[in-house]
Amino acid sequence: EVQLVESGGVVVQPGGSLRLSCAASGFTFDEYTMHWVRQVPGKGLEWVSLVTRDGGSTFYADSVKGRFTISRDNSKDSLSLQMNSLRTEDTALYFCAKEKSKLFDYWGQGTLVTVSS
Amino acid sequence: EIVMTQSPATLSVFPGERATLSCRASQSVSSNLAWYQQKPGQGPRLLIYGASTRATGIPARFSGSGSGTEFTLTISSLQSEDFAVYYCHQYNNWPPGTFGQGTKVDVK
Repeated sequence: EVQLVESGGVVVQPGGSLRLSCAASGFTFDEYTMHWVRQVPGKGLEWVSLVTRDGGSTFYADSVKGRFTISRDNSKDSLSLQMNSLRTEDTALYFCAKEKSKLFDYWGQGTLVTVSS
Repeated sequence: EIVMTQSPATLSVFPGERATLSCRASQSVSSNLAWYQQKPGQGPRLLIYGASTRATGIPARFSGSGSGTEFTLTISSLQSEDFAVYYCHQYNNWPPGTFGQGTKVDVK
């Protein structure tokens, strides 16, 4: 059974930093591109970032470019998102998602990041 | 950026009734359109891809149609577990594609 379990979400002040993690199991992790997608509570879904299978290529939404860094450790089946210079508008539930042929075929339950003074 | 517009924002339906959800793209996305279901406290679940193909394990009461800019998700007879929020997602322009704002299906 595929499982994606996010962690690391907390309350942080504007300008602060945070690192989210996603532990993957139930599939061959290094065969799939992985993503972070976020959702403001009660609102829609916004794609944040992706990293290719070998970690060699990364892409970011314009809203986070230059502030967030996605990475993966295939030896530990884990995905990370380093979030710097956080803004109040980064407050959201952050999901990690597995990609299959441009589809998000599995999602985690999400971890809540709150940016507030 | 391709903008995806879903309607209605909320759809109130009796259990057992048919529900029809719409999704419109600001430009053609061919058949590169997926539908996701999200329940409270959960991540989304893939329902439909390629505009009309059900994902693994998805019941036959869910069907998708359309191409280009107009798409429809139909739930033929709503079950209690189907009350949720539904999102369309175009993946024609990748990465990352874009999501619609969602349609909430609730009990009438």
